Amino acid sequence: EIVLTQSPATLSLSPGERATLSCTTSQNVLRYLAWYQQKPGQAPRLLIYDASNRAAGIPARFSGSGTGTDFTLTISSLEPEDIAVYYCQQRITWPLTFGGGTKVEIK
Amino acid sequence: EVQLLESGGGLVQPGGSLSLSCAASGFTFSDYAMTWVRQAPGKGLEWVSAITGSGSETNYADSVKGRFTISRDNSKSTVYLQMNSLKVEDTAVYYCAKDWIVGATNWYFDLWGRGTLVSISS
Repeated sequence: EIVLTQSPATLSLSPGERATLSCTTSQNVLRYLAWYQQKPGQAPRLLIYDASNRAAGIPARFSGSGTGTDFTLTISSLEPEDIAVYYCQQRITWPLTFGGGTKVEIK
Repeated sequence: EVQLLESGGGLVQPGGSLSLSCAASGFTFSDYAMTWVRQAPGKGLEWVSAITGSGSETNYADSVKGRFTISRDNSKSTVYLQMNSLKVEDTAVYYCAKDWIVGATNWYFDLWGRGTLVSISS
């Protein structure tokens, strides 16, 4: 099983600041990695697929990068509505696995 | 409206069974692979099971293999999760979700239901 490790566990930033979230995989997943946003009390929402492609309707302030085992989700300028937990997910092999999540808080 | 609606959750004793359903609407259901993902209270996401659009291929997490069965009825636009030999650690909100790519399998999920709560307790 491929283990996904996300860091930091919690990120506290002020509105307008840049948020950088990390996802490290235990094996090479090429670029087969997605990012999801889950707001409190809601289902997850697909943000990024194949490491760097924004899903439909996702604001341009969200971007993804990386390949192999190291991936980054960047929120260029944090908005109050970005308060959520963010998860990465790999799809290169079964079982599909998610990271443990990074909680983004507004300072 | 494009949506997924889960049902069938509830309180069950350890060792019991439960069947979840996920009714889809607003898209051509048979064109998309589907999955179940669960989330224990206060915890992260855990993938459970997946099925291709035709239903010919299924996959399971090791934690549920041999106990859970995923299936679909494309004539009813519904995917199911039959859960047997339930354990306390199966307690979670269970989400169904749709693959984002049509006519193939991509295993990223762009449409999620609101979830149904399964509680296993004596």
